[in-house]
Parts: sequence; C-alpha cells; structure tokens
Amino acid sequence: GAGVSQSPRYKVAKRGQDVALRCDPISGHVSLFWYQQALGQGPEFLTYFQNEAQLDKSGLPSDRFFAERPEGSVSTLKIQRTQQEDSAVYLCASSLRESHTDTQYFGPGTRLTVL
Amino acid sequence: AQSVTQLDSQVPVFEEAPVELRCNYSSSVSVYLFWYVQYPNQGLQLLLKYLSGSTLVKGINGFEAEFNKSQTSFHLRKPSVHISDTAEYFCAVSAPSNTGKLIFGQGTTLQVKP
Repeated sequence: GAGVSQSPRYKVAKRGQDVALRCDPISGHVSLFWYQQALGQGPEFLTYFQNEAQLDKSGLPSDRFFAERPEGSVSTLKIQRTQQEDSAVYLCASSLRESHTDTQYFGPGTRLTVL
Repeated sequence: AQSVTQLDSQVPVFEEAPVELRCNYSSSVSVYLFWYVQYPNQGLQLLLKYLSGSTLVKGINGFEAEFNKSQTSFHLRKPSVHISDTAEYFCAVSAPSNTGKLIFGQGTTLQVKP
C-alpha cells in the first residue's frame, strides 16, 4: 500500500516568505508526527497529532511555526516569515494507533532552503 | 528528559566484515529503544525496536541489537555487511511518559567498501 507522502519534496524560499508543507499519512493512521532534520543531524521532534487534536507542540521552535490536521488525516506545517535557520529537511511520520510502541512510518521529507 | 549519543559519526568497513554501531542513552525512566536506517533520498525505515523482554532484538536485513540496562546502551550489530548496507543509521528512544515522540541521536554513517 501507499506509504507516507510529503509535498513538495523541495522548496526554496526567500527570507521572509511564508511556506506550507504537506503531509499525507498512511490511511487510517491515528498518530502523526513532524520532525525537523538539520544537515548532518538527527531528526528533532516538532509536534504531535492524535487524529485532529494537537497534543504536543513542545518542539516547535518559535511562534512562526504552526501545524494543523483539521480532519484527522492530511497535515500541514506552516512556517511564517522564514529565516535562514529554518533551512532543514522536514519529516512527517504516522503510526496506526496512539500507542508509544507503534512503529512510526516516515515520509521522504521536504527539503526547505531559505535564501 | 531523555538523550541519545551515537559515539561514531562514521564507520568505514569492508564488505563481508562484521560491524557494530554504538548507541548510548540517558533517561531517568524506562525507555523504548529503536534503530532506524535512512538510505539516500529515502525516508527513515525501522530496523528493530526494544520494548521489553529479551534483551537481544533481531531486526530486518540481518541486523540485531542488544539492550544493556546497566550500561544504558543499545548497540547495533551485523555479522557480515553488504555494499547495500551503506546508509545513515539513527538510534532513538521514546519514553512511556511522553506522547510517543522519538528522540534521535546524531546518526552514524556506515560506509561499506568493496
């Protein structure tokens, strides 16, 4: 079956622009995570959704970052007034249930470059 | 809070040789432990995970890892590597007290040479 998909795969933005990154999780998956992966680093947690509820946003680096999952399926990560330090790969992952032990399935990521 | 340290940023090894990728973690509570692999231009893929029970965990592609609570380690091993194992490997932890979010190490690049 289809895995987690993300779009666009690559995004170039000028500093100060707003961007929106999309994640399509595996159909029926309850949990959805966003991670940020800087060059040469491991992924870092940004936020977590259980269905449409955003239960943890402790990893969002600033109030310029906003995520939503209004119908409990597709999710969008929005970054306002992008800065150069926002350049990274943004990864989305989904898991079947809300269990801590469920496998998270990752998408290929969106590589954001802020000029 | 939890943290993960992967002791080697790069591990070069010849094909058919054994390999060990090291991972240590820090946590004041019990954790779940994971190894993920990232091939070029692909998403992270789960290799194996330790939740409870037997400390030796077997995963896909011939990899295995051993949980050592006293040394707070979860090293990944393979007895004989292939060229196709060349990739980035990430160790991660998750605590039952949080939302299931993964805390990753910085990664180890495994370079398998012919």
